[in-house]
Amino acid sequence: EVQLVESGGGLVQPGGSLRLSCAASGFIFSSYNMNWVRQAPGKGLEWVSYIDTRSATIHYADSVKGRFTIARDNAKNSLYLQMNSLRAEDTAVYYCARVVLPLFPFDYWGQGTLVTVSS
Amino acid sequence: EIVLTQSPDFQSVTPKEKVTITCRASQSIGNNLHWYQHKPDQSPKLLIKFASQSFSGVPSRFSGSGSGTDFTLTINSLEAEDAATYYCHQSSSLPWTFGQGTKVEIK
Repeated sequence: EVQLVESGGGLVQPGGSLRLSCAASGFIFSSYNMNWVRQAPGKGLEWVSYIDTRSATIHYADSVKGRFTIARDNAKNSLYLQMNSLRAEDTAVYYCARVVLPLFPFDYWGQGTLVTVSS
Repeated sequence: EIVLTQSPDFQSVTPKEKVTITCRASQSIGNNLHWYQHKPDQSPKLLIKFASQSFSGVPSRFSGSGSGTDFTLTINSLEAEDAATYYCHQSSSLPWTFGQGTKVEIK
């Protein structure tokens, strides 16, 4: 069974940093590209970042470019999102999601981890 | 950026009724359009991929159609467990974007 479990969320002050993790199991993690998607309170889904299987191709939404860094460790079956210079508008539930190839849908998602940016 | 506009934003439906949700893209995206179901405190679930292909394990009452800029998700004979918010998503070009969502409530 495919499982994606996010962790690392919490309350952080504006300007602060946080590192999210996504632990993958039930599939060959190194064979799949991965994404982070977020949902602000009362809002819809927003794609945040993408990383390919070898970390060779990385993309970011303009809203996080220069502040967030996506990474993965295939040996540990884990995906990460380093979030710096956090703003109130980054408050959201963050999901990791698996994708076969860039044109494909996100076929499995984690349950999400809540990040709250507030003083 | 490709903007996806869903309609309606909200729909209140009785069980066994048919539900139709539309998604319009601001430019042609071929068939690179996918549909998800999202219930509170759960992970989003893929329902339909590439406009009309059912994802594994999805009940047959869910179907999709369309291409280019206009797409439709249909739920035939709605069941109580289908109460959720439904999102369309385009993978045609970066940044990948989602529609604003359609909340389906059971009367």
